[in-house]
Amino acid sequence: AQTVTQSQPEMSVQEAETVTLSCTYDTSESDYYLFWYKQPPSRQMILVIRQEAYKQQNATENRFSVNFQKAAKSFSLKISDSQLGDAAMYFCAYIENNDMRFGAGTRLTVKP
Amino acid sequence: KAGVTQTPRYLIKTRGQQVTLSCSPISGHRSVSWYQQTPGQGLQFLFEYFSETQRNKGNFPGRFSGRQFSNSRSEMNVSTLELGDSALYLCASSLAAQANTEAFFGQGTRLTVV
Repeated sequence: AQTVTQSQPEMSVQEAETVTLSCTYDTSESDYYLFWYKQPPSRQMILVIRQEAYKQQNATENRFSVNFQKAAKSFSLKISDSQLGDAAMYFCAYIENNDMRFGAGTRLTVKP
Repeated sequence: KAGVTQTPRYLIKTRGQQVTLSCSPISGHRSVSWYQQTPGQGLQFLFEYFSETQRNKGNFPGRFSGRQFSNSRSEMNVSTLELGDSALYLCASSLAAQANTEAFFGQGTRLTVV
């Protein structure tokens, strides 16, 4: 069974600075999809960014980018120019056969 | 376009009772997945439905069941509630059958078992 590991339960960053959240996963498949979701206090999960494993180019969405290392099975999220609204729980997720598995999450605090 | 709607938002039940949670997906979405979120276990996959068929199931006891209707609305049922079933239950819908389509989440139902 695939597993997703987020080794940082909590992270903090100064407003306008950059922070990187780590994620590793375990799979024997070669084609799969990876996601980062954000869960603010409102509880609603929001997709931040998506990466397709067959694409070597790292996905980017505005201030959010990933560092996808397929051989190392690593999928980290970089948030640039952090804003107060970025404060939330961040979940790394892996999907295979319509079964999405999540990491334990990283709580990000943004300090003004 | 309305998002994923889960009802009720909050629920308090007694041990031994049963509960039914409802999820209305985004219009046109045919895939609905359910997750249990707890502080200790994180987000755990319960099951996924597509066109009224359960395609995948997580590692939960048979007390947890679900179904999907022809209009793609889904319900999940938990029978003989236990204290450990207290959790946030999240529903997510997606447009197509492929795994790479974005999943949109509802705000969840907070279930408390006393």
